[in-house]
Amino acid sequence: AQSVTQLDSQVPVFEEAPVELRCNYSSSVSVYLFWYVQYPNQGLQLLLKYLSGSTLVKGINGFEAEFNKSQTSFHLRKPSVHISDTAEYFCAVTDYNTDKLIFGTGTRLQVFP
Amino acid sequence: GAVVSQHPSRVICKSGTSVKIECRSLDFQATTMFWYRQFPKQSLMLMATSNEGSKATYEQGVEKDKFLINHASLTLSTLTVTSAHPEDSSFYICSATKGGGPYEQYFGPGTRLTVT
Repeated sequence: AQSVTQLDSQVPVFEEAPVELRCNYSSSVSVYLFWYVQYPNQGLQLLLKYLSGSTLVKGINGFEAEFNKSQTSFHLRKPSVHISDTAEYFCAVTDYNTDKLIFGTGTRLQVFP
Repeated sequence: GAVVSQHPSRVICKSGTSVKIECRSLDFQATTMFWYRQFPKQSLMLMATSNEGSKATYEQGVEKDKFLINHASLTLSTLTVTSAHPEDSSFYICSATKGGGPYEQYFGPGTRLTVT
C-alpha cells in the first residue's frame, strides 16, 4: 500500500526567501505524484504533478518539484515566496492501477512580511 | 478546463435531519467521483469512490447507510448525510476524474456542513 509523509506540519518563512516543503512516499509499484494547495475554506488546486519523464517538474505560481526515485521523495520548492503563498500544501500519490489519491498530512506554509 | 462545482458551499442543519450535497463536473464527463471529508487543520480522508450507474465503494470505517452516495449521471454525484449529528460537522470535498489516465483528480470548492 502507498503512503505519504510530510514531515513538516508548519513552515514559517519570510517573504522573498526560498522555501522547500518535504514529501516522502512509500510504494511497491510505480506512482504518480502530486502537490496541491488549499487556501482557507476552499477546495484543492493542483500545483504540479509528476507522471513520467523529466524528474524536475514545474508548476503554477513559480513552484517546482523534483522526483527522486532512489530517495522516494518529491520535495516542493520555490526560490522566492510571496505573502499570497500562505496556505496549506498537500503532497499526494496514486498508483497506476487505481484512481485513489493518498494524501500526506499537509504542511502549513506561513509567509511573513 | 476541468471545473467541478459543489452546492451548497455552506449548510447548517439541525441534528436528526438529512442534508444533500451536490457535486457536478461542469465541462467534462466524470467517469469517477470521490468524496472526502476534512477535519479542521487535518488532511483529506477519502470516504467513498463512485462510478456512474453503480454502487459507491466505501472506505473502511465509513457508514454507507449514513453517507448515501448517488452517482446518477456522468456529471453529477450527490452525498446525503442522513440523520445528521454534530459530529458529522465537517468540510466535505468532492473530486472527479476524466478517466483514461493519468488519474488526475479535479476538486470542487468544498461544502462546510454544520450540524446544530
